[in-house]
Order: sequence, then structure tokens, then C-alpha cells
Amino acid sequence: GQNIDQPTEMTATEGAIVQINCTYQTSGFNGLFWYQQHAGEAPTFLSYNVLDGLEEKGRFSSFLSRSKGYSYLLLKELQMKDSASYLCAVRGANYGQNFVFGPGTRLSVLP
Amino acid sequence: DAGVIQSPRHEVTEMGQEVTLRCKPISGHDYLFWYRQTMMRGLELLIYFNNNVPIDDSGMPEDRFSAKMPNASFSTLKIQPSEPRDSAVYFCASSLLQDGYTFGSGTRLTVV
Repeated sequence: GQNIDQPTEMTATEGAIVQINCTYQTSGFNGLFWYQQHAGEAPTFLSYNVLDGLEEKGRFSSFLSRSKGYSYLLLKELQMKDSASYLCAVRGANYGQNFVFGPGTRLSVLP
Repeated sequence: DAGVIQSPRHEVTEMGQEVTLRCKPISGHDYLFWYRQTMMRGLELLIYFNNNVPIDDSGMPEDRFSAKMPNASFSTLKIQPSEPRDSAVYFCASSLLQDGYTFGSGTRLTVV
């Protein structure tokens, strides 16, 4: 079976740093992806980790620990436009190219 | 590149009617996915294709749902007959092996 957990909601202040956690149990692992989804829009790709460690991409960074089944997305210098849902998705080796998405974390950035 | 193109953007239909959703993947992408998103259940995979061949349709809710991919540039998801519980946003996504998905803008389906 597969299980992916994320906090349901988070709130942070403009200019601050926020960390969104994702834990997973999957049969097989072939990469973890983070997507951003604004209300009423499609998810858009943010980052990809397949090896342990930190991947940095501008204001966004993503970390992976395969042994712990854990990832986080770090957003720095928060802006109002970062208010969105953030979806963690795992590609399981036994499922071909299929991703399983977590429930998403709704982030609200306050002035 | 125009991205993944879905149509229609919105569909309102009466219970019992047939609904057809359409998707044009990004040219050259060899995987195509149909997902459904609701507040209660999040993003759920319905079916995916590789090189136009259905690989996993275990997420298709029941026989009322069917999907086809007659060629590399077109796929349809059909619901017949539609029911109010089918109301959701249906996303199509495409990808190349090892890459992340690119999602279409989605079709918001309302069955009344």
C-alpha cells in the first residue's frame, strides 16, 4: 500500500521562511516531486528529489531522506503570491511512471 | 509549446447524460495521465497511458468511466451515464519518462 502525509494547513508571514513536511510509505521509490497549485488552477512542477539531500532552486529548496521516508519543501522570503496548496508526490518503482499525490498543504501568507 | 490542452474548461450536465472530456498532450511526451481532484479525496489517478497503450486503469471508479488514446496527440475520458458524485475537476497530464508531469488547465465538471 501507499500512504503520503502532509499537514493540512499552514500560515506564515510575508518575508518569513516556512517548511512544509511530507512523509511517505510506498512500495518502491523512484523519486519525490513537489507541486504548487493555486486555487482554481492546475498543479505546476516545483522540484524533484531522487537522491538524499537538498536541492535548491531560488527561493525554494527541497530535501529528501529516503531512509526516513521524509521530505520537506522550504520556502524563503515568502511573498503573498506563494499562498497556494503544495502537493508532495511520490513515484513508486512498482507503478511505472505513476505518481501518488499527497493531500496537499494549504499555505496562507499573511502581510 | 502550448502545453497540455484540455477541453472543455467547464461542463455542466444533467445526471444521466454522457460527458466527454478531451486532452491533447505535449508533443513528444510518451505518458498521458487522467486525474480527478475533489476537496474530499484530493488528486486521484484514474488511468494512464504509455505510447497510447493503457497501462493502469485500476483507478477508474466503475464501468461508467472509459478512456481512449487513439493516437499520440489525443485522448478522451468519457462518463456514461454521469452522476452528481462525478462532479470534480478532471486533469490531464503528460510527461516523458523520468520527468515530472505537466498538467493541463483541467475541466471542471458539474453534474446536476
